[in-house]
Amino acid sequence: SQQGEEDPQALSIQEGENATMNCSYKTSINNLQWYRQNSGRGLVHLILIRSNEREKHSGRLRVTLDTSKKSSSLLITASRAADTASYFCATDGTGGGADGLTFGKGTHLIIQP
Amino acid sequence: DSGVTQTPKHLITATGQRVTLRCSPRSGDLSVYWYQQSLDQGLQFLIQYYNGEERAKGNILERFSAQQFPDLHSELNLSSLELGDSALYFCASSVSYNQPQHFGDGTRLSIL
Repeated sequence: SQQGEEDPQALSIQEGENATMNCSYKTSINNLQWYRQNSGRGLVHLILIRSNEREKHSGRLRVTLDTSKKSSSLLITASRAADTASYFCATDGTGGGADGLTFGKGTHLIIQP
Repeated sequence: DSGVTQTPKHLITATGQRVTLRCSPRSGDLSVYWYQQSLDQGLQFLIQYYNGEERAKGNILERFSAQQFPDLHSELNLSSLELGDSALYFCASSVSYNQPQHFGDGTRLSIL
């Protein structure tokens, strides 16, 4: 089952604008990760935020985490054509056994030149 | 380049057949994960190995099995293939638990 649900499903913006994607999840987590996937390629890890962190930055990326609302957001500032891709949030469980990630359906981001 | 190598890149076979997908993790990574990506199911976690031992199981069918060898490479075996098994199969690796996972480029499996 899909734990994370990204919103919106698709987003089209002009180059240079900021892009914000949201993710909601259902159960308690150890951490939440964001990944990018270019068409037909493997996923690329962008950023990991732990359950005791509220905000994290990496270059043009800013991720927030609100565990009380079970939600996260990914902000990409000053977007570029190369940012066109699908973006997924992924969560793990707090149970001791399962370390596989549960992915949402993703947000397809298109940056118009 | 993630450092994770998957072979083959493409595989075309018929229903009822058996295939083996291979994954070499990044140097130093002890955990290997297998995922299936399809249009209707999205990305689904199948199974995880850590240093040769099965660590966690996800939505893996009984027709599917995997193993991790002493040199840490892993194989995913898919048998009695059905049309619905057509998908992208990804391998990922990480140093340990709760760490970023690094994905290979996947094997695209087409069942005719």
